[in-house]
Amino acid sequence: KQEVTQIPAALSVPEGENLVLNCSFTDSAIYNLQWFRQDPGKGLTSLLLIQSSQREQTSGRLNASLDKSSGRSTLYIAASQPGDSATYLCAPLGDYKLSFGAGTTVTVRA
Amino acid sequence: DAGVTQSPTHLIKTRGQQVTLRCSPKSGHDTVSWYQQALGQGPQFIFQYYEEEERQRGNFPDRFSGHQFPNYSSELNVNALLLGDSALYLCASSSPQGLAGGRSNEQFFGPGTRLTVL
Repeated sequence: KQEVTQIPAALSVPEGENLVLNCSFTDSAIYNLQWFRQDPGKGLTSLLLIQSSQREQTSGRLNASLDKSSGRSTLYIAASQPGDSATYLCAPLGDYKLSFGAGTTVTVRA
Repeated sequence: DAGVTQSPTHLIKTRGQQVTLRCSPKSGHDTVSWYQQALGQGPQFIFQYYEEEERQRGNFPDRFSGHQFPNYSSELNVNALLLGDSALYLCASSSPQGLAGGRSNEQFFGPGTRLTVL
């Protein structure tokens, strides 16, 4: 069974600071890994998808790395803004299903 | 391009009742997955439907059942509701094209249905 851990559970930073969100998973037999953003009471917004053969993926201020063999992924958010405040979830994809951790709740202070 | 849509937005039921939640996938997608997210936790996989059949199932009791229609939309049914079924129910869709027979495709989520069981 895939177990996903995200550290830290919560993070509060001043505006402009770079964010580093960590994700670890126990089963390296994955097809890809997605990072999502979730605002309170809302659905999930896909931020980045990294295929298992890739090491890195970038979209705007977001950059995600994947080390499949060691079961780790990191999401970097550059120059954080108050609008980045949300819960961030990583989810490796196994056989047709995503496995989620509890997420990292980010607060960016203006 | 319409994204994934779900209905209703909110629902309140009492213990023992039955509920049906609905999902329409993103345009061009034919695979639908359902997830349950309890408060403060990450989503948990319930099951996935493809070609109108349940292709994969998570660790949920038989009280949870589903259906997929020829237009690819899907329903999640929960019987004999328990207080612990209170959660945000999320639907995700994906396309079958891509690597590894569709296993590696990006999943797109709807806004969810908030179910409260009293």
